[in-house]
Amino acid sequence: AQSVSQHNHHVILSEAASLELGCNYSYGGTVNLFWYVQYPGQHLQLLLKYFSGDPLVKGIKGFEAEFIKSKFSFNLRKPSVQWSDTAEYFCAVNAAAAGNKLTFGGGTRVLVKP
Amino acid sequence: NAGVTQTPKFRILKIGQSMTLQCTQDMNHNYMYWYRQDPGMGLKLIYYSVGAGITDKGEVPNGYNVSRSTTEDFPLRLELAAPSQTSVYFCASSPTGLAGVGGEQYFGPGTRLTVT
Repeated sequence: AQSVSQHNHHVILSEAASLELGCNYSYGGTVNLFWYVQYPGQHLQLLLKYFSGDPLVKGIKGFEAEFIKSKFSFNLRKPSVQWSDTAEYFCAVNAAAAGNKLTFGGGTRVLVKP
Repeated sequence: NAGVTQTPKFRILKIGQSMTLQCTQDMNHNYMYWYRQDPGMGLKLIYYSVGAGITDKGEVPNGYNVSRSTTEDFPLRLELAAPSQTSVYFCASSPTGLAGVGGEQYFGPGTRLTVT
């Protein structure tokens, strides 16, 4: 079965610092990749997604992610975080062979100090 | 559009009780999903549906049942509630399967369930 690992459970940053969240998955075939964000008290929202093409994907709010197939990774980045980026971030993977199921990582809680 | 709505927002159940978590979407999406979210575990898929009358098990279906009689509604039934079912439950919908341009999931606000 496919699995998704997010390396950091908690990250604490100061405003204007750069953010990189790691995501690795275990499936060797074709995958579709997603990053979701959950702001405090809110439901999950899509940040960005990758299906094919350019492995560097740009999403909302200045976030981007890079798909590195050889490393089975899809790391999320933001050059300069703001206090409003405080949230929990989830990586999710759809293996083409799994049909319409998403497997989520355990999430990373990010706290940005003003 | 209201998007994906869930009721109730909070519920406390006693062990052995049953209840139905309601989920409705007004976007005419074919695909609907139920997840549970536990701290540090991410979201686990309970059941999903690719259209009215069609449902399938996800990763953690035991203790739950679903039905999909209409495109809009996808209720989740808990029979004989157990403390292990204490969690936050999210419903989601998607216009297409995940491997397409529209293949993103839209989430509801969640239901926080405690079983004591």
